Amino acid sequence: EAQVTQNPRYLITVTGKKLTVTCSQNMNHEYMSWYRQDPGLGLRQIYYSMNVEVTDKGDVPEGYKVSRKEKRNFPLILESPSPNQTSLYFCASSRSGPTGGEQFFGPGTRLTVL
Amino acid sequence: GENVEQHPSTLSVQEGDSAVIKCTYSDSASNYFPWYKQELGKGPQLIIDIRSNVGEKKDQRIAVTLNKTAKHFSLHITETQPEDSAVYFCAASGTGFQKLVFGTGTRLLVSP
Repeated sequence: EAQVTQNPRYLITVTGKKLTVTCSQNMNHEYMSWYRQDPGLGLRQIYYSMNVEVTDKGDVPEGYKVSRKEKRNFPLILESPSPNQTSLYFCASSRSGPTGGEQFFGPGTRLTVL
Repeated sequence: GENVEQHPSTLSVQEGDSAVIKCTYSDSASNYFPWYKQELGKGPQLIIDIRSNVGEKKDQRIAVTLNKTAKHFSLHITETQPEDSAVYFCAASGTGFQKLVFGTGTRLLVSP
């Protein structure tokens, strides 16, 4: 089944404790992206990647890191999480970029930083 | 950069009624406008999209219209059903067409 998977689905952590949210897609997509969803603010892009080893900042990149060593994986790293990073996070992928067709979203990761 | 505004934030209709959600965008160079539906506990899913060389697109009960001059586009759902209840997001292509900028979402509730 074609899908985007994220792990973990739920995470509660404390301020300053490094964490990684994994994202993997099995559709051989070139483009991958991370979004955060907050009430009243919609979906805001954190980072995106047009291809392996190519990443770029979205609209809200502060406090996050990403890497794209393999085509299928695009982990999101929070090196020192803070409470304002409590949010619902989505990974997405598409064949050739966000305007080339459908972006497929993962099921989401709900992160709480205490 | 691109900015997308979406209205209303919540919309309640009776089953069988029509629902309209409106979005405006700021960058006249934007050329791709998708609509995503997010059901409870799930990630958003594309339901319809339109490109700037087209004024209207339909897919069964769903239609999208685009007015490039006014820089706004709308989602129209006819004969609404309870399963249409969800959060709907509009989006517009951003700088360099390597990103999408999303609206703030509309929670649609269809009552039986």
